[in-house]
Amino acid sequence: KQEVTQIPAALSVPEGENLVLNCSFTDSAIYNLQWFRQDPGKGLTSLLLIQSSQREQTSGRLNASLDKSSGRSTLYIAASQPGDSATYLCAVRYGGGYNKLIFGAGTRLAVHP
Amino acid sequence: DAGVIQSPRHEVTEMGQEVTLRCKPISGHDYLFWYRQTMMRGLELLIYFNNNVPIDDSGMPEDRFSAKMPNASFSTLKIQPSEPRDSAVYFCASSFGLSSYEQYFGPGTRLTVT
Repeated sequence: KQEVTQIPAALSVPEGENLVLNCSFTDSAIYNLQWFRQDPGKGLTSLLLIQSSQREQTSGRLNASLDKSSGRSTLYIAASQPGDSATYLCAVRYGGGYNKLIFGAGTRLAVHP
Repeated sequence: DAGVIQSPRHEVTEMGQEVTLRCKPISGHDYLFWYRQTMMRGLELLIYFNNNVPIDDSGMPEDRFSAKMPNASFSTLKIQPSEPRDSAVYFCASSFGLSSYEQYFGPGTRLTVT
């Protein structure tokens, strides 16, 4: 069964810290992996998309890495800010041309001043 | 573009009533997805369409759920009859083509069935 696991489930850090969110997947034959942010009561915002042939993607203070062989991805957030507080979801897509995303349960991040 | 539009944003209904959720995808996108999010099960794909044709409906929980996409700019998800366990947030998402698989989500419809 294809499953996606995110650790930790929740994280609370002081402002300014660098932090890492983890995502693991059971089937390494992925097509790509996408990180989303979800604010309370809102929809999902795509942060980064990593193709299976890539090792990492960067956008501003965010860096996502992918290690297919070990079935892992990490989302690195540099110099965290209170505005980064949200739930971060990892989603994996299997099979070229097949557009189904399998989501992890998310990591709920709180950055306090 | 306004992004993916969903209506209503909130729906409260009584058990047994029919519920219809609506979605307008981003113009030009050829894939449309319906998801359900609950605390217990997280985000689950219910069904998705490509060029208005249902491709995979294996996530639809039971026959009470049905989805249609009569044209490229509109889709509905219907629950008839509704039950309290259908209470969840329902998201619609869209994406464009095979060259870019990034999915764009709407704000969701929070459904409460009493």
